[in-house]
Amino acid sequence: DGGITQSPKYLFRKEGQNVTLSCEQNLNHDAMYWYRQDPGQGLRLIYYSQIVNDFQKGDIAEGYSVSREKKESFPLTVTSAQKNPTAFYLCASSPGTSTSYEQYFGPGTRLTVT
Amino acid sequence: QKEVEQDPGPLSVPEGAIVSLNCTYSNSAFQYFMWYRQYSRKGPELLMYTYSSGNKEDGRFTAQVDKSSKYISLFIRDSQPSDSATYLCAMWPYSSASKIIFGSGTRLSIRP
Repeated sequence: DGGITQSPKYLFRKEGQNVTLSCEQNLNHDAMYWYRQDPGQGLRLIYYSQIVNDFQKGDIAEGYSVSREKKESFPLTVTSAQKNPTAFYLCASSPGTSTSYEQYFGPGTRLTVT
Repeated sequence: QKEVEQDPGPLSVPEGAIVSLNCTYSNSAFQYFMWYRQYSRKGPELLMYTYSSGNKEDGRFTAQVDKSSKYISLFIRDSQPSDSATYLCAMWPYSSASKIIFGSGTRLSIRP
């Protein structure tokens, strides 16, 4: 059963702590993306990766970091430098960046920082 | 001005009605136009995409693109309560160096 998994579904953290969100795909896609979704706003791109060991900043990369050591995995770390980390985080993948229109999303992780 | 504008709704219609969802955009470089459906607390799922202008039909769903007016639409025929969701339009200029731009989404509710 192919798809994208994100874990955990809900995550609670205290301010000042780093937290890592997991994203795994078994679609054999080259490109992976991280988005943030806030109420009343569209999806905003945090980071994306076109290939293993390579990634680029999106529009709102400050306070976030990623790694792409394996094709299937693209974890996102929300650092203590992120000023407003509470949000719904979505991971997506596409066959390649030339097919960016065909993005498949995971179920999302809702992060609450207090 | 945002690159993509979408009325947030909410839009409430009776079951069986025809629904029209719309987005306008300002960047004439956009070539691919997508519609995603997002159920509450879930990730978006791609409904359909259109390349350049024209219409595309898939079952009860029809996507229309009018590049001269920079206006796209999604029509849902014979709407069902299961169609209740947030619908996001999205656009891409067909460049691997460019990102998809998403609208903010329209909340749709179909009343039984």
